[in-house]
Amino acid sequence: DTGVSQNPRHKITKRGQNVTFRCDPISEHNRLYWYRQTLGQGPEFLTYFQNEAQLEKSRLLSDRFSAERPKGSFSTLEIQRTEQGDSAMYLCASSPGQGLPGYTFGSGTRLTVV
Amino acid sequence: AQSVTQLDSQVPVFEEAPVELRCNYSSSVSVYLFWYVQYPNQGLQLLLKYLSGSTLVKGINGFEAEFNKSQTSFHLRKPSVHISDTAEYFCAVSDQSGGSYIPTFGRGTSLIVHP
Repeated sequence: DTGVSQNPRHKITKRGQNVTFRCDPISEHNRLYWYRQTLGQGPEFLTYFQNEAQLEKSRLLSDRFSAERPKGSFSTLEIQRTEQGDSAMYLCASSPGQGLPGYTFGSGTRLTVV
Repeated sequence: AQSVTQLDSQVPVFEEAPVELRCNYSSSVSVYLFWYVQYPNQGLQLLLKYLSGSTLVKGINGFEAEFNKSQTSFHLRKPSVHISDTAEYFCAVSDQSGGSYIPTFGRGTSLIVHP
C-alpha cells in the first residue's frame, strides 16, 4: 500500500482550457474526498464519495467542476473552462467507510492557470 | 455548522524551546478534533485526533493536544521543537453526528523553528 496517489503533481494550463486530475485512494478505503487549498488558507471541502456514489457537494463546486468515481476505485476531478481563480492545490483524501474520521491525504495537484 | 480559529498565523521559536499552537472551535454539537501538519508541497499528515475519552491526546513526533470543552479549545503543544518541525499546522473540527465526518479546517499556523 503506497498511500493516496495524485496525478499530475503540477499542472499549468491556459485560461479557458479543461483539466482533469486523478486520485487513487488507499485500496481498502471506500470513502474519497476532494479538497481545494489556496495560498495561506486551510483546505476547503469540495465533494466526497462513498464507493461510487457522490454523497455531498460543496457550494464551492460550481457547474464547471465535475467529479467521478467509477467502480468505486480511483476518482477524477475535471475543471472546464478554467479561470485564474481556479489556481490552487487540489487535495484528495481517503478514509475507511463506517469508521471514525481521520483522513489520509495525497500530496496534491498544484494547478496554475495562466 | 462548525468553525475553527487558529489564533496565530505564524509562530517563530528557537530549537529545543517549547511551543504551543492555539486552536479554538465553534460548534452547536459534539465534535471530533484534529491536528494536521503540512510540509512544503506535500499533502496533510494527521498528527493526532480527539474522538472521545481522555482530554489529553498524544500524537506523532512528540506532539500532544488537550481538549478543553468549556473553553472550546484544542491547543497543540510540544515540549522541545526541532528544526524539522518547521511546517504549516492545521486544526480541524468535524461534527460527531451525520456520519459524513467532513472536517472544517482552520487557516493554519506556520511554525518556524530557528537554530
